[in-house]
Amino acid sequence: NAGVTQTPKFQVLKTGQSMTLQCAQDMNHNSMYWYRQDPGMGLRLIYYSASEGTTDKGEVPNGYNVSRLNKREFSLRLESAAPSQTSVYFCASSLTGKETQYFGPGTRLLVL
Amino acid sequence: SQQGEEDPQALSIQEGENATMNCSYKTSINNLQWYRQNSGRGLVHLILIRSNEREKHSGRLRVTLDTSKKSSSLLITASRAADTASYFCATVLINDYKLSFGAGTTVTVRA
Repeated sequence: NAGVTQTPKFQVLKTGQSMTLQCAQDMNHNSMYWYRQDPGMGLRLIYYSASEGTTDKGEVPNGYNVSRLNKREFSLRLESAAPSQTSVYFCASSLTGKETQYFGPGTRLLVL
Repeated sequence: SQQGEEDPQALSIQEGENATMNCSYKTSINNLQWYRQNSGRGLVHLILIRSNEREKHSGRLRVTLDTSKKSSSLLITASRAADTASYFCATVLINDYKLSFGAGTTVTVRA
């Protein structure tokens, strides 16, 4: 039982490049989330999927897209990376969306 | 904007002392949760307290909730060096399915 896994762990991009962050959970959870964490800002929600087949914008969705591929997997795509997207990205999942969230180890992204 | 705000931003205590941090929020909630984050790691859930509950305990942790004041507190008793971490409160609003996090309290426990 791996919980929530994220790939890659670390990535360096040049401005304008694209990339997809992968997230998978093996807890049969319905809800999945993508956050970014910047120094002194706490976690800010980018996008979430309350259940398979649905996605919704969070607090800071601009510059990102998501895909809920199936119940297990939720990916985050940066189409044209910008230095302002340098951050640590966390994926999380929850059984119902109102209960405990379980977090992955994070992806550190540096955009030059 | 963030729903929860923690106070203080940083706290430094001696091993064995108690640590208290507070969280205030703006609108009515379904529940409030506390998480811990060790440096460079993901968040770990500590306690969930529902809007109809006033106090919960888990080991050395005690959480209170005052919905009339829209505030919560987390008390860590008999702190240890391993308690050094950032602590975040997060709220789930009524009829919502996502968390809103505060900026966190950084706790340093000195040996």
